[in-house]
Amino acid sequence: DTGVSQNPRHKITKRGQNVTFRCDPISEHNRLYWYRQTLGQGPEFLTYFQNEAQLEKSRLLSDRFSAERPKGSFSTLEIQRTEQGDSAMYLCASSFRLSFRGTGELFFGEGSRLTVL
Amino acid sequence: AQTVTQSQPEMSVQEAETVTLSCTYDTSESDYYLFWYKQPPSRQMILVIRQEAYKQQNATENRFSVNFQKAAKSFSLKISDSQLGDAAMYFCAYRSSISGGGADGLTFGKGTHLIIQP
Repeated sequence: DTGVSQNPRHKITKRGQNVTFRCDPISEHNRLYWYRQTLGQGPEFLTYFQNEAQLEKSRLLSDRFSAERPKGSFSTLEIQRTEQGDSAMYLCASSFRLSFRGTGELFFGEGSRLTVL
Repeated sequence: AQTVTQSQPEMSVQEAETVTLSCTYDTSESDYYLFWYKQPPSRQMILVIRQEAYKQQNATENRFSVNFQKAAKSFSLKISDSQLGDAAMYFCAYRSSISGGGADGLTFGKGTHLIIQP
């Protein structure tokens, strides 16, 4: 399968615990994005990488959130000291760099759903 | 910052009929991309159709077509011959053509829940 892969698909945790999500993008893509989606809302941009460099972080990404893409391939999103307000679907997407190739389209994974009790 | 507005939280259509989903956006840029994404329940988001702002011709993909009105900043999606499998959340999204910085990702609307009545 050459699509975007995310795991775990579901995570239930207690408030105060740390959680980590992983995203494996389409291998040819050099850009990787993280979005958060809450019930009844559209996805909200969190951060993105070009290769291993994190180029932009949204104001939504508090200090408890950290994302890495150590070798320019897969990425991890860690949430420390989780709060109930962190409950959401975390979506990963990948694409080509716009000026290099492509139509601007982002390819999405199925998401990782976080429930904080 | 760009904003995308979908004013229809929910739409319902009879199977085999045509439905139009509305989207407006706000931007000061002249070159950009617009997209409609479909998100079925518990399934991943997939692209339905895209439109480059510099192209005057409206995009078409089989039963899906758009009405792109650049001056009005409007980008509606028409689904013809609606099928049960079209039932999903539909999101309108904007992407700047400027690479880099905060302009690189997609800005989404809040979505329209499309119900297909058999």
